[in-house]
Amino acid sequence: DAKTTQPPSMDCAEGRAANLPCNHSTISGNEYVYWYRQIHSQGPQYIIHGLKNNETNEMASLIITEDRKSSTLILPHATLRDTAVYYCIVRSLIQTGANNLFFGTGTRLTVIP
Amino acid sequence: ETGVTQTPRHLVMGMTNKKSLKCEQHLGHNAMYWYKQSAKKPLELMFVYSLEERVENNSVPSRFSPECPNSSHLFLHLHTLQPEDSALYLCASSALYRNNSPLHFGNGTRLTVT
Repeated sequence: DAKTTQPPSMDCAEGRAANLPCNHSTISGNEYVYWYRQIHSQGPQYIIHGLKNNETNEMASLIITEDRKSSTLILPHATLRDTAVYYCIVRSLIQTGANNLFFGTGTRLTVIP
Repeated sequence: ETGVTQTPRHLVMGMTNKKSLKCEQHLGHNAMYWYKQSAKKPLELMFVYSLEERVENNSVPSRFSPECPNSSHLFLHLHTLQPEDSALYLCASSALYRNNSPLHFGNGTRLTVT
């Protein structure tokens, strides 16, 4: 699986958009980009995933560059409850059976009142 | 509520004790996972079960023994642990044969070995 690089920490003002970057320059054509977050004392929570098109759901938007070497997770209106560690993970499509995910160190997002 | 329930939430055990962690999922999934999260470290994948068969053992010491009696339940049996095994143990599940199926995690068992 391709390695990902994320900034260790970021701050965002409450009510503003939080843009979390992720570099995955060695990504291959069949690998998806997944985003999870982990709020303190809880298990990781799935946010969104994509292959090459931009994706949006009720939690966030995922913007993947045309060359797929980087992506940005966007929380459009950050709230204090969005304070968490955000993980960007790349995983191959060609995986029959279980879907093991390998987590890095992520970005610690702090939403400031 | 994530659909994945782990018990107990907290556990303190001595190095000579034997205990078990339990995980139950209500999502109809057929793959289950154990992860370990130590302080200041990334999540480490420990074991993977696919259709109740262990498909991955990520170099985990034998003092950790997993069991998957059916697709809804997963156990982690612990014996003669060391203080460095103190960590948050997380269970997850996913749907097989859907290659982009996300993992659903429980909230973990916080284990302290004294």
